[in-house]
Amino acid sequence: AQKITQTQPGMFVQEKEAVTLDCTYDTSDPSYGLFWYKQPSSGEMIFLIYQGSYDQQNATEGRYSLNFQKARKSANLVISASQLGDSAMYFCAMREVNTNAGKSTFGDGTTLTVKP
Amino acid sequence: DAMVIQNPRYQVTQFGKPVTLSCSQTLNHNVMYWYQQKSSQAPKLLFHYYDKDFNNEADTPDNFQSRRPNTSFCFLDIRSPGLGDAAMYLCATSREKGANTEAFFGQGTRLTVV
Repeated sequence: AQKITQTQPGMFVQEKEAVTLDCTYDTSDPSYGLFWYKQPSSGEMIFLIYQGSYDQQNATEGRYSLNFQKARKSANLVISASQLGDSAMYFCAMREVNTNAGKSTFGDGTTLTVKP
Repeated sequence: DAMVIQNPRYQVTQFGKPVTLSCSQTLNHNVMYWYQQKSSQAPKLLFHYYDKDFNNEADTPDNFQSRRPNTSFCFLDIRSPGLGDAAMYLCATSREKGANTEAFFGQGTRLTVV
């Protein structure tokens, strides 16, 4: 079974609107971290936001927030007030401490296009 | 200032000719990773170092080797590049291997094999 599933290969959003990028995960490890990265066409992976498995509150970082639903094993990224510079590929990733030696597993990514 | 630096950004090599990609970091992180990323796909972990301990992924071809002479530098050697090895190669670091430590990535080296 795939550990990280991103079901949206491509998404479009109008500038200044909010958009949600979906991510579901599969693990039996009680200790894990969930990460979102942005990859512009230049290639660099940019860390956006982190959510720990034991965190009680949803993570927020500026315009980014993570909708963490532990029972449903989902960790969706919400980008508010989209900007043209948000157009990029977005990857959801997971680190499992006990079962995968802390290595990151990535989803297949979602390409976000922000329209003016 | 860039904290994880990969050189070169673009590399063209001939089929079968050994090539080395380099990565350096100014973060003094314990862990360094090499990923291969083909177009529009997820990055695939090739191997990682935890300090001096080398950890190879089970499905990483023998054609790929790595060296970490010190904390700051890590190299990816491709002994005999094939056309299928053309990809973006990403180097990343993390302070530790814990669940709460994010990875910091370099800008990648895009390898073309001709």
